[in-house]
Amino acid sequence: DTAVSQTPKYLVTQMGNDKSIKCEQNLGHDTMYWYKQDSKKFLKIMFSYNNKELIINETVPNRFSPKSPDKAHLNLHINSLELGDSAVYFCASSPDRGGNQPQHFGDGTRLSIL
Amino acid sequence: AQSVTQPDIHITVSEGASLELRCNYSYGATPYLFWYVQSPGQGLQLLLKYFSGDTLVQGIKGFEAEFKRSQSSFNLRKPSVHWSDAAEYFCAVARRNNFNKFYFGSGTKLNVKP
Repeated sequence: DTAVSQTPKYLVTQMGNDKSIKCEQNLGHDTMYWYKQDSKKFLKIMFSYNNKELIINETVPNRFSPKSPDKAHLNLHINSLELGDSAVYFCASSPDRGGNQPQHFGDGTRLSIL
Repeated sequence: AQSVTQPDIHITVSEGASLELRCNYSYGATPYLFWYVQSPGQGLQLLLKYFSGDTLVQGIKGFEAEFKRSQSSFNLRKPSVHWSDAAEYFCAVARRNNFNKFYFGSGTKLNVKP
């Protein structure tokens, strides 16, 4: 069983479109995250939810909107996609929001904007 | 601001040789420290973590890391590298009195020569 699963694995779309990436974890964790990994492999946190409550919201364009329908799911919706949004997006989860909690990562969604 | 530095972008070692990957952080207090490994097309897998106590921590796959407070470093080591260790390695830190907000280094790509 995959602990943190993201869909789709690959997403190729045109500039200006709206797309969503889904994430589900079956670890029973309370906290989930979205990261963006750019072409230089640099990983930066975007959002974090704890029990459906937004707790981390980095400086991200408001075209990006996370949604957590329950604590096992954290989806990422992106409006009006731009070329600079091309990256690999990783979902992660941890048991709770304590700083000592290792995060468990999904395999990533590679987003390519044409 | 919190920062994590991995000075080596690429490292090549021969199979069977020893390995040390460097990680330095800037933060006033001792953070929580982690090392992750990312294989191509995969998410990040936790290798080991340091919270407190013994400064030499053991991880999976034969890896270990040593926390040195005086040098603000948390270098990853392995006595004998296997070809399957070829991957990208990321150091991460999280502040102790904050939400589980990870700051990642820029990664070190490890190549293993036969």
